[in-house]
Amino acid sequence: NAGVTQTPKFQVLKTGQSMTLQCAQDMNHNSMYWYRQDPGMGLRLIYYSASEGTTDKGEVPNGYNVSRLNKREFSLRLESAAPSQTSVYFCASIELRELFFGEGSRLTVL
Amino acid sequence: GEDVEQSLFLSVREGDSSVINCTYTDSSSTYLYWYKQEPGAGLQLLTYIFSNMDMKQDQRLTVLLNKKDKHLSLRIADTQTGDSAIYFCAESPGAAGNKLTFGGGTRVLVKP
Repeated sequence: NAGVTQTPKFQVLKTGQSMTLQCAQDMNHNSMYWYRQDPGMGLRLIYYSASEGTTDKGEVPNGYNVSRLNKREFSLRLESAAPSQTSVYFCASIELRELFFGEGSRLTVL
Repeated sequence: GEDVEQSLFLSVREGDSSVINCTYTDSSSTYLYWYKQEPGAGLQLLTYIFSNMDMKQDQRLTVLLNKKDKHLSLRIADTQTGDSAIYFCAESPGAAGNKLTFGGGTRVLVKP
């Protein structure tokens, strides 16, 4: 059982470069989420998708875009990376109020 | 907006009890959660409590909720070295959907 799979696990970017973080879940969950984790700040919601074909902004959406490609996949795109986007990014899906998290993607923007 | 606060760090001796505290501001919080994060991993749900409950016990874990003071605690009995991790408190409004607001996390270090 793979659960929630994120790629890549590590990435270093230069300011202004773009990249996409991929997320896939094999649990047939409707809702998926992207969070960022910064020291001492917990997890902050970037975007979420309540169901296939819908996406909504979370607490910190600026500088990001998302695509809910199908029920399994929810990608996060940084169009022009900034040092403030250096963080650990977690994708999650939910069932019966339990969030299932991926292992995280550590992104460094120089 | 909603706010969830936790202390940053807790050190405890193996075999003792640990108590991790959390306060929240949203009076409409319906579900309150405790998640555990081990190094290099995502968060895993430990337990959650519905807001009409005062206490929930699950093996070594006891959750206490004081709704009047908006205070949530997690007690770990007989703390083991494997309990060393970051513990996150989170709340959700329930009917408004599944958007959770997380606290900043408490790093628990268990000393032998």
